[in-house]
Amino acid sequence: GDSVTQTEGLVTLTEGLPVMLNCTYQTIYSNAFLFWYVHYLNESPWLLLRSSTDNKRTEHQGFHATLHKSSSSFHLQKSSAQLSDSALYYCALSDRGGGYKVVFGSGTRLLVSP
Amino acid sequence: NAGVIQTPRHKVTGKGQEATLWCEPISGHSAVFWYRQTIVQGLEFLTYFRNQAPIDDSGMPKERFSAQMPNQSHSTLKIQSTQPQDSAVYLCASSLVDSSYEQYFGPGTRLTVL
Repeated sequence: GDSVTQTEGLVTLTEGLPVMLNCTYQTIYSNAFLFWYVHYLNESPWLLLRSSTDNKRTEHQGFHATLHKSSSSFHLQKSSAQLSDSALYYCALSDRGGGYKVVFGSGTRLLVSP
Repeated sequence: NAGVIQTPRHKVTGKGQEATLWCEPISGHSAVFWYRQTIVQGLEFLTYFRNQAPIDDSGMPKERFSAQMPNQSHSTLKIQSTQPQDSAVYLCASSLVDSSYEQYFGPGTRLTVL
């Protein structure tokens, strides 16, 4: 079945440094959708980014990710971390889109310090 | 738009007792999802409904967990004979059924089994 791998359970950064959270996936479907959800403490998870077409970058709120089907990856990046970026980040996969079953990775907690 | 509503927000049960969790999806959303969130496993898919019909319950522990969606305005997740390992945050999400639409999450119910 479909699966998503996030290799880092915890990423700690100093404010101002670049952010990269890894996400790789496995699916038999050629047109799978990839998502990044963010979960701040005491809030509900919400969608940060969704993938576009192969090798196309998508951006939102300073974060960006590019779907690379050749390497089955959808890494999340930001040029400069802010304290307010501290949260739990989930990479997720759906073979048909958000209204269908979505498989989540185990999550990466990002902690940004001054 | 009140968002996805989940009640109760916190529930404490004794081992062996039953717990029923409620979810009211966003009006007009025809897909409803249940997830379990733990520190160890991250966000685990449990089950989902589309147009009130159960579509996929592959993530549900078979013996004690059940979910229903008797009408378009609410879904329930019932856990019989709760065990300490059931302690987690249970999240409900709803979505339009479309290839590009995101899932909207509720605040979750924190279940603690003593």
